[in-house]
Amino acid sequence: GQQLNQSPQSMFIQEGEDVSMNCTSSSIFNTWLWYKQDPGEGPVLLIALYKAGELTSNGRLTAQFGITRKDSFLNISASIPSDVGIYFCAGHYQGAQKLVFGQGTRLTINP
Amino acid sequence: NAGVTQTPKFQVLKTGQSMTLQCAQDMNHEYMSWYRQDPGMGLRLIHYSVGAGITDQGEVPNGYNVSRSTTEDFPLRLLSAAPSQTSVYFCASSYLAPQGQFYEQYFGPGTRLTVT
Repeated sequence: GQQLNQSPQSMFIQEGEDVSMNCTSSSIFNTWLWYKQDPGEGPVLLIALYKAGELTSNGRLTAQFGITRKDSFLNISASIPSDVGIYFCAGHYQGAQKLVFGQGTRLTINP
Repeated sequence: NAGVTQTPKFQVLKTGQSMTLQCAQDMNHEYMSWYRQDPGMGLRLIHYSVGAGITDQGEVPNGYNVSRSTTEDFPLRLLSAAPSQTSVYFCASSYLAPQGQFYEQYFGPGTRLTVT
């Protein structure tokens, strides 16, 4: 079935640094979602994107729906310790009644 | 709103035992789904439902049954537990979008299941 390639798989950064991660697919998607999962919790929605080229911010987080509709990007500016967790992208393609999830990016921050 | 609730939070089963994982939502969402999360595997869809009385299989349905008798509840049944079903299980719900779209899903806190 459909798969999303999410990268990087893990990141080790210093507090205050900016973070970038992305997801790519082999097919055209019409929805991109970004989630964050804290240890022992369920994923929490960060940003939803519905149009190619769309750029949406949520505080220090910014996500973009790629113009080709085959990718999406998430940036975190000026990272803080509470940004630690696993970030997942998820997408929906035409005709499907489900989301496809990326493998996740595990973010670790050194104070 | 409580959102999406799941019970139990933790469960240990012996091989061959059966159990039901409960999921409920109070947002009047038509769409509900079950995922399992294993290390390095992301989230994999087990079953989903687009409304009461309607269910369908996801990527990894074997060994699991679901039913949807009400809009609010979507229980997941393990008929004969196997060690391969050791995982964290998440329930999620969303409004049902027009064809060709998909609205954001909201997740419950998860059930951590160990099968020995």
